[in-house]
Amino acid sequence: EDQVTQSPEALRLQEGESSSLNCSYTVSGLRGLFWYRQDPGKGPEFLFTLYSAGEEKEKERLKATLTKKESFLHITAPKPEDSATYLCAVFGGYQKVTFGTGTKLQVIP
Amino acid sequence: DGGITQSPKYLFRKEGQNVTLSCEQNLNHDAMYWYRQDPGQGLRLIYYSQIVNDFQKGDIAEGYSVSREKKESFPLTVTSAQKNPTAFYLCASSIETNEKLLFGSGTQLSVL
Repeated sequence: EDQVTQSPEALRLQEGESSSLNCSYTVSGLRGLFWYRQDPGKGPEFLFTLYSAGEEKEKERLKATLTKKESFLHITAPKPEDSATYLCAVFGGYQKVTFGTGTKLQVIP
Repeated sequence: DGGITQSPKYLFRKEGQNVTLSCEQNLNHDAMYWYRQDPGQGLRLIYYSQIVNDFQKGDIAEGYSVSREKKESFPLTVTSAQKNPTAFYLCASSIETNEKLLFGSGTQLSVL
């Protein structure tokens, strides 16, 4: 069965303090890895899809990278509006999407 | 604008009552999904549908039922058999099965 583990569970940063969120996975034949952002009481908002090891994607202050065992979401010079829960999910050989439990990010002004 | 509309935003269920959550999409997506989200847990798949008039059980289908009579609509009924229904319910859709999922804004279901 596919598994996704995200760390840390929670992260508190000062505004401008760069950091990374980790998503470790075990999957039978990775077909895609997704990153989402979720604000309290709202549905997840799609950020990135990564398909193969070595792939990178960027959007504003966010950069997602992928290896054969994990993905990182790098946040450069975060702002308070980046505060949210970030979810990682994998689409594997069992033909289903498996989600991690998320990393709750708080950026303090 | 294209998107996924879930209603209501908040719903309360009395013991023994069935309740139905609405999900409508105007993205012309073939696949639709229902997930349940509990604090501290990842999203768990309840049901999904790849085409009209066809749907499959997910990991936690017991106590739930769905229908897919129209491409745009995928309502979820939480039956009285679901003993712990309090959760945040998310509807999603994708162009093809398990491609990038786009989510609605969710329905918070609570038990009175």
